[in-house]
Amino acid sequence: DTAVSQTPKYLVTQMGNDKSIKCEQNLGHDTMYWYKQDSKKFLKIMFSYNNKELIINETVPNRFSPKSPDKAHLNLHINSLELGDSAVYFCASSQRLAGGPSTQYFGPGTRLTVL
Amino acid sequence: AQKITQTQPGMFVQEKEAVTLDCTYDTSDPSYGLFWYKQPSSGEMIFLIYQGSYDQQNATEGRYSLNFQKARKSANLVISASQLGDSAMYFCAMREVPPPDGTASKLTFGTGTRLQVTL
Repeated sequence: DTAVSQTPKYLVTQMGNDKSIKCEQNLGHDTMYWYKQDSKKFLKIMFSYNNKELIINETVPNRFSPKSPDKAHLNLHINSLELGDSAVYFCASSQRLAGGPSTQYFGPGTRLTVL
Repeated sequence: AQKITQTQPGMFVQEKEAVTLDCTYDTSDPSYGLFWYKQPSSGEMIFLIYQGSYDQQNATEGRYSLNFQKARKSANLVISASQLGDSAMYFCAMREVPPPDGTASKLTFGTGTRLQVTL
């Protein structure tokens, strides 16, 4: 009964390759996010989708392209991988509630290593 | 722009003791939310506790409580009766005011505090 799941958990690849990370949530939430956690453990938002619509797009290289086929899925595709893309990528989801916390629940993370 | 500051890179606490993890924030928004997350060595991010800017009472969840001092812009996490399993990174985060249609709002995270619980 996993709430937010990500695949793969680990991804090791060569510079220049293209790779995708998948995320699925079964919480019935309408908003999903991608965060990047760097080697110093700092977490930063990358993208957010609400009901398949891109809502937040932070300053992220064009090589990163999110895709949301439906509101339960948000995938992240990365082209021409660079060494600096090595990080842990977290997917999260939340449900907007008027006056509520709209708590974001995170997936287990995908550790991407670019060689 | 919002900012979260966690000044304690690392903390030690003895088992069964209480510990306070500091968090200060800076925002010009009158409405905001404050969150604490735990990241054990296994890597997942676990939601612990939430405090809304208009909440009159300090939030509590089991052994976790949030010492919210709005005038000082601080939202410290207090863990009572520490357990070995509490050893982890702890992140304070703030949610910005959602857009008018309330669709999404990002979390801004602090740099984290690594807590080590000792015997």
